[in-house]
Amino acid sequence: KQEVTQIPAALSVPEGENLVLNCSFTDSAIYNLQWFRQDPGKGLTSLLLIQSSQREQTSGRLNASLDKSSGRSTLYIAASQPGDSATYLCADNQAGTALIFGKGTTLSVSS
Amino acid sequence: GAVVSQHPSRVICKSGTSVKIECRSLDFQATTMFWYRQFPKKSLMLMATSNEGSKATYEQGVEKDKFLINHASLTLSTLTVTSAHPEDSSFYICSARDRGSPRAAIYFGEGSWLTVV
Repeated sequence: KQEVTQIPAALSVPEGENLVLNCSFTDSAIYNLQWFRQDPGKGLTSLLLIQSSQREQTSGRLNASLDKSSGRSTLYIAASQPGDSATYLCADNQAGTALIFGKGTTLSVSS
Repeated sequence: GAVVSQHPSRVICKSGTSVKIECRSLDFQATTMFWYRQFPKKSLMLMATSNEGSKATYEQGVEKDKFLINHASLTLSTLTVTSAHPEDSSFYICSARDRGSPRAAIYFGEGSWLTVV
């Protein structure tokens, strides 16, 4: 059974810093790895989706990588801004089933 | 990106009444939709998976008769909380899988805050 872990649970950084959020999974037979952002009291916003055949995806200041052999995915945020403050969730997106989420990393970017 | 709309965003109802929450995929067809519940500062908890035209599959511990899910079309699923009680107060979120996407991406609605008084 797939288990997804995100460490750390919380992270605080000053504005402008580059940072990496970590996601690990136990079953390397991952279909897609999807990263989401959740603002307090809101739904989830899809940030990036990496297919199992891919190694990374980029969108603006965000870059997500996937290393199936090591069971890891990372979300790199460049030049962080206060507006990036949110909870970031990674999930194993298996076809036909619900997402398997990590517990998330709550990021706080101070100005 | 694809859009999933949830309505209402906030609802207050009296104990014993029923309330319906709608989840619509606005620009794609969704054969599968998922309903979650989330308590403050807690993780999402999957309640049920609904497939268009068939009965929903509920997670263990979720009462089927209390949380009625209907997925009548490829763009609409509804969650009805029946005979609501204060302990049903929570944040409910739906998500939908874009069947037309080769990557099978999943998109979430904005969530619905339910308060039962």
